[in-house]
Amino acid sequence: EVQLVESGGGLVQPGGSLRLSCAASGFTFSTYYMHWVRQAPGKGLVWVSRIGADGSDTGYADSVKGRFTISRDNAKNTLYLQLSSLRVEDTALYYCVRNQAGVVNATQYWYFDLWGRGSLVTVSP
Amino acid sequence: DIQMTQSPSSLSASVGDRVTISCRTGQNINRFLNWYQQKPGKAPKLLIYAASRLKSGVPSRFSGSGSGTDFTLTISSLQPEDFATYYCQQSYSTPVWTFGQGTKVEIK
Repeated sequence: EVQLVESGGGLVQPGGSLRLSCAASGFTFSTYYMHWVRQAPGKGLVWVSRIGADGSDTGYADSVKGRFTISRDNAKNTLYLQLSSLRVEDTALYYCVRNQAGVVNATQYWYFDLWGRGSLVTVSP
Repeated sequence: DIQMTQSPSSLSASVGDRVTISCRTGQNINRFLNWYQQKPGKAPKLLIYAASRLKSGVPSRFSGSGSGTDFTLTISSLQPEDFATYYCQQSYSTPVWTFGQGTKVEIK
């Protein structure tokens, strides 16, 4: 079955750290860009970070730059997000997401075609 | 970052109604616009990419249109399973993938 399964979330104090993992199965993980997207309780979707297929191309939202680190282990089919210097406003459900590309009229379009169920991170004193 | 403005933020409609949701961007993004559906307690699902391309398996009552800065998601005949929150997303200015704030479709 093609799926993404996140783990590692939990309750942490402000200033603390946490590492999220995302186990991929059912597809060739090493050929896809991957992302993390978060959703605060009752709020909308916010893109957090992305990583290239071989791990060499990373990007971050300004709100997490310098505090979060994305990485992957293609041998283990696993995506990671290291969260450090956590703030109350980082409280959210963190989704692992697969990047897909489709070609329309010779133009490549990117979209998110596979989502995990999410891992909840709660930052509270 | 590219600004995304969805409207309305919520709407009430009845089964069988035609529903339209608007997404406006702060700059020209050609057709690099995706639409997602999210039901309570579930992860989002892709409906449409490249502004108007229906993902395989998505019912044909869903359609997308637009280019440049103005886009529309249309549900031609609302079904009970369509009550959800819908998000637009731009994929023009990567690596920052901006989402709209969402439109909640509720039962009238």
